[in-house]
Amino acid sequence: EVQLLESGGGLVRPGGSLRLSCAASGFTFGSYAISWVRQAPGKGLEWVSTISGGGSDTYYADSVKGRFTISRDNSKNTLYLQMNSLRVEDTAVYYCARWVASSGWYGDHWGQGTLVTVSS
Amino acid sequence: SYVLTQPPSVSVAPGQTARITCGGNNIGSKSVHWYQQKPGQAPVLVIYYDNDRPSGIPERFSGSNSGNTATLTISRVEAGDEADYSCQVWDSSSDHVLFGGGTKLTVL
Repeated sequence: EVQLLESGGGLVRPGGSLRLSCAASGFTFGSYAISWVRQAPGKGLEWVSTISGGGSDTYYADSVKGRFTISRDNSKNTLYLQMNSLRVEDTAVYYCARWVASSGWYGDHWGQGTLVTVSS
Repeated sequence: SYVLTQPPSVSVAPGQTARITCGGNNIGSKSVHWYQQKPGQAPVLVIYYDNDRPSGIPERFSGSNSGNTATLTISRVEAGDEADYSCQVWDSSSDHVLFGGGTKLTVL
């Protein structure tokens, strides 16, 4: 069974940093791209970032480019999201999702999410 | 930049058919994927590549995509189908993933 478990969320001041993790199991981790998708309170889904299975290719939403860094450790079956210079508008539940990246990208399995709150 | 437009809400009586649209410029040339999200839960993929269903998703769920509109159709709607539904595409020109704003399906 495919499982994705996010951790690392919490309360942080504006301008602060946080690192999220996503532990994967039940599939060959390095064979899949993985994405972070977030959802602000009462809002819709917003794509944040995607990393290829080998980790060589990364993609970012314009809203986080230059502030967030996605990475992965395939030996540990773990995905990361380093978030710097956090803003109030980054407050959201952050989901990691196994990403099918062929002719069209989509998430076929999702974790339960971790809440990030940016507030003074 | 590319924009996906969904109606904020759709209401349907049990046993009827619900149709949720996702509008975008020439969206018929893209692959559209649909997610169901119930309150407090993670999104669940219900349709991929316009009209394919993952294992475990009932045949009542189907999709179509042509011109400027993609549609998620739920036949014989049940109370348990009440949820938010979001469409998603990949914009290959920018290598960005885009989501529609989501549609809340209410079963009357």
